Formats: sequence, structure tokens, C-alpha cells
Amino acid sequence: EAGVTQSPTHLIKTRGQQATLRCSPISGHTSVYWYQQALGLGLQFLLWYDEGEERNRGNFPPRFSGRQFPNYSSELNVNALELEDSALYLCASSSGLAGVDTQYFGPGTRLTVL
Amino acid sequence: AQSVTQLGSHVSVSEGALVLLRCNYSSSVPPYLFWYVQYPNQGLQLLLKYTTGATLVKGINGFEAEFKKSETSFHLTKPSAHMSDAAEYFCAVSVPLRGTYKYIFGTGTRLKVLA
Repeated sequence: EAGVTQSPTHLIKTRGQQATLRCSPISGHTSVYWYQQALGLGLQFLLWYDEGEERNRGNFPPRFSGRQFPNYSSELNVNALELEDSALYLCASSSGLAGVDTQYFGPGTRLTVL
Repeated sequence: AQSVTQLGSHVSVSEGALVLLRCNYSSSVPPYLFWYVQYPNQGLQLLLKYTTGATLVKGINGFEAEFKKSETSFHLTKPSAHMSDAAEYFCAVSVPLRGTYKYIFGTGTRLKVLA
């Protein structure tokens, strides 16, 4: 069974540009979560999608947005990039809405903003 | 407000020694509790989780954790450290919030195992 995949592996942008990160969940999983892992800050919750709808959002500005497609894959968009957006962005998927579900993580996309 | 605190951003143990990674949480409602491990250049994977029932939870690779409600703690232990245990460990909670769930991760503890 294929795990969670993310693309690209690395992304280099300059300040003010837009970045698009993609995630494909495990087959059969309907929930997709996005996290930002900045150095020394642990995982900060960004967004949670399930069945195409945004279920929850972390404390990030509106320039962080995303969507979930009918095939349950997801896209994270970061507009007007700032230097402090440089981080590892992790995507995770789970099989349902219940808070007990295990989240399965992808390897991440390393975003560098110059 | 809900929060997760991991005491010690870096922990070093000798190979064969006890591993103890501390996690305390703050929540007004009973949370679900998780420990994840992240090996270098990889995503996180679940070690173990507590939902209901027995408070001592056994996970993969010989790890276990005990939920202590009175202490609001969920410390991770392993009797004998192995070199392959070197990784970063994250404690997380899931709490119900307005009809859905909110996931909160701690800042992580990097475990170093000394030969």
C-alpha cells in the first residue's frame, strides 16, 4: 500500500512569490492535514480537510490556504511568501473524522524563501 | 487553552539505559494522546496512542507510555535504549472542539543514544 506522498521534495522561492505544495493521501483516507515544522517550533497545525471541506484551521494568516480535490488529494497555497515561511511542510492523512484516528505522514516539502 | 509541553528539547542516554521522555498536557476535556517518532529526513510515524481503557499503552519498538490523569502526563519510556532509537519524538493531543477535533503537537524531544 502506497503511503502519503508529497511534491515537490524541495521548493525554493523568493519573498513575495507564491508556493503550491501537493499531497496525495493513502488510498481510502478522506482526511488530509497540513502542518508547518519550523526549526525549534515543533509541528504547527495549519489546515484539516475532509470530504472536500475545510474542517479546522490553525492560527495562520489567510495567505495560507488550500483545498481538497474529489480524489481526496490536497493542495496548500502560500501567497506573498515571507522569509519566516521557510520550513518543512508536512501532510498527513487519516481515515475519518474521529479524533482517535492515527495520522499517517508524508516525507514533507522543504520550502526555502530567499 | 489546550497545550502540550515536552520537557527537554534534547535528551541523551547511553545504549542499554532507560529512556524517559516527558509530556504534560493541558486540556479542559479528556484528550486523546499520541506519541510520534520522526527519523531524519522522514515524516512522522505513530509509536502509540491512548484513547480509552487501560492507562498503560504499549507501542512499537518496545516503547510504552502511561496516561496519568491526576498528573496530566503521558510520559514515554523504553527499558533499554538502542542506537536505532535516535530520532525526534513528538507528543500530541487531540481534543474535541466545536463539533470537530483540534490536534496539538509538542515541540519535540531529540533523543541521542550514546555508544
